[in-house]
Amino acid sequence: DARVTQTPRHKVTEMGQEVTMRCQPILGHNTVFWYRQTMMQGLELLAYFRNRAPLDDSGMPKDRFSAEMPDATLATLKIQPSEPRDSAVYFCASGLGPGELFFGEGSRLTVL
Amino acid sequence: SQQGEEDPQALSIQEGENATMNCSYKTSINNLQWYRQNSGRGLVHLILIRSNEREKHSGRLRVTLDTSKKSSSLLITASRAADTASYFCATDASVGNNRLAFGKGNQVVVIP
Repeated sequence: DARVTQTPRHKVTEMGQEVTMRCQPILGHNTVFWYRQTMMQGLELLAYFRNRAPLDDSGMPKDRFSAEMPDATLATLKIQPSEPRDSAVYFCASGLGPGELFFGEGSRLTVL
Repeated sequence: SQQGEEDPQALSIQEGENATMNCSYKTSINNLQWYRQNSGRGLVHLILIRSNEREKHSGRLRVTLDTSKKSSSLLITASRAADTASYFCATDASVGNNRLAFGKGNQVVVIP
């Protein structure tokens, strides 16, 4: 049963610490998205990759966030340094071209 | 700005009743999708309707699309307690990189 796998599921950290979230997209999918979900803002697109190349990261605060796909089986989202306002659920999703996206279960981040 | 604004934001109905949600968007689209999110889980794709389609059915789901009004509706017939969830519409803009932009979601509670 193919699915998107995200780690960690939960992370509590202190302000200023580095946080790395990982995502394993579904094998064969060529698009990977990172979204952030909060009650106030809803689902915000942070970064978008196609065939491992970054296409859109305009929604991501560049000074502290970075997103990469070192290979086709791994996407990472890094926050350094983390701030309390980064507390949210971060979702990774993968898909094939312009169509249905498959979401992971999310990484719930709490920055104290 | 976010594409996709669902209306109403919250809906509470009795089991067996129908639930209707609406979504409006701002720019031309390739397709519009509806997703469901159960509490604490990732989003799950429900249905995709292309810009040249006006109506689509999938089981108890019926989606309509009116591109002249830039709006869509999702109807869930004969609702069940298991349909309790948040429902999101997402648009794939025809100009851009096929990024999916999500609305803020409708919370639906089905009372047994």
